[in-house]
Amino acid sequence: QKEVEQDPGPLSVPEGAIVSLNCTYSNSAFQYFMWYRQYSRKGPELLMYTYSSGNKEDGRFTAQVDKSSKYISLFIRDSQPSDSATYLCAMSGAGNQFYFGTGTSLTVIP
Amino acid sequence: GAVVSQHPSWVICKSGTSVKIECRSLDFQATTMFWYRQFPKQSLMLMATSNEGSKATYEQGVEKDKFLINHASLTLSTLTVTSAHPEDSSFYICSAPTSGSTGELFFGEGSRLTVL
Repeated sequence: QKEVEQDPGPLSVPEGAIVSLNCTYSNSAFQYFMWYRQYSRKGPELLMYTYSSGNKEDGRFTAQVDKSSKYISLFIRDSQPSDSATYLCAMSGAGNQFYFGTGTSLTVIP
Repeated sequence: GAVVSQHPSWVICKSGTSVKIECRSLDFQATTMFWYRQFPKQSLMLMATSNEGSKATYEQGVEKDKFLINHASLTLSTLTVTSAHPEDSSFYICSAPTSGSTGELFFGEGSRLTVL
């Protein structure tokens, strides 16, 4: 079983839609959770960083962590064509290592 | 957020030559840096973990003599692809956490290597 599971998509939504991206994990020691956006041929850009369970909001982005279910989500409200990218989840807390999902490809159609 | 700078962003070299890629943490000290390789439309593949002042730890299957990593200061790690061959062509990305595994992890812009 992989440490982190993420549906690769691709996901295609109309502009203005709410996007839900998710990851599940197996290691209960993970406590730090991150979401990244990666455009083609660019390094991943950190969008959200959360610790333990709960919600965090930043503009159109909301990150949710449910440690009891080992499930994290990223919601994008009022999606824009510029949100079209690959979204990666990542987590840490078990030693000096970070674990990544495979990434979900998102396309927002104008 | 913190800034990790990586360059060159794109390099083309002849087969048999060596290429050095630099990764710098601009506004924080990075005792640890990670180096990844990414193939088109695939996820990040961790190659090695570099620790300032000590030898890098390579992932299984990564040739340490082919991919030389140096982390001589708290703000600079380098990856040298030695005797490059066309199969080494790829997108290489570095990252650094601001505070071990509890800190935010920031990535460089990535370096695209093309070996002719």
